[in-house]
Amino acid sequence: AQSVTQPDIHITVSEGASLELRCNYSYGATPYLFWYVQSPGQGLQLLLKYFSGDTLVQGIKGFEAEFKRSQSSFNLRKPSVHWSDAAEYFCAVGAQGNTGKLIFGQGTTLQVKP
Amino acid sequence: EAGVTQFPSHSVIEKGQTVTLRCDPISGHDNLYWYRRVMGKEIKFLLHFVKESKQDESGMPNNRFLAERTGGTYSTLKVQPAELEDSGVYFCASSQAGRAPYGYTFGSGTRLTVV
Repeated sequence: AQSVTQPDIHITVSEGASLELRCNYSYGATPYLFWYVQSPGQGLQLLLKYFSGDTLVQGIKGFEAEFKRSQSSFNLRKPSVHWSDAAEYFCAVGAQGNTGKLIFGQGTTLQVKP
Repeated sequence: EAGVTQFPSHSVIEKGQTVTLRCDPISGHDNLYWYRRVMGKEIKFLLHFVKESKQDESGMPNNRFLAERTGGTYSTLKVQPAELEDSGVYFCASSQAGRAPYGYTFGSGTRLTVV
């Protein structure tokens, strides 16, 4: 069965430091991969997505993610974290059949220290 | 354009009561999805409408949950009777026809607490 694993439930980084949030997926074919962010009181906002092509994907707010098929990973990175990046981050994979259904990981809560 | 709107934003009800959640998708979006996040676990798919038809309801947990989409516009999700384990955040999302899952827009969610 398809699944998404985000190994880190909570991560704390200092403002200005680099960030990497891990995501591993289980999927038989080439996956559609997504990263969403949820700030307090807000809905889920799409940061970036991967469907095919260049394995390094650029998103909004200075985020990027790299698809590594050999590792079944789609880690999210940002070179310099801002205090406003404190939020919960979700990795998701599009379900087989391209129905629009998404399978999410458990989420990673990011805390940013001043 | 207006985003996906969910009502209410919060609801606290007693076990055994009925609650109805509403989702207004972006105008013109044929696809409408319901998801739920329970107790800090992963967000899970509940069901998918295409216009007024249920395309996939494989994620509905049991027959206490009833989803409708009147005239292919707004959707309601009724829980009757509510149980303690139904507490969580219910998200709605919509997308244009033929673009799922690329054009998802999520609402802010309804936080349901059953006491």
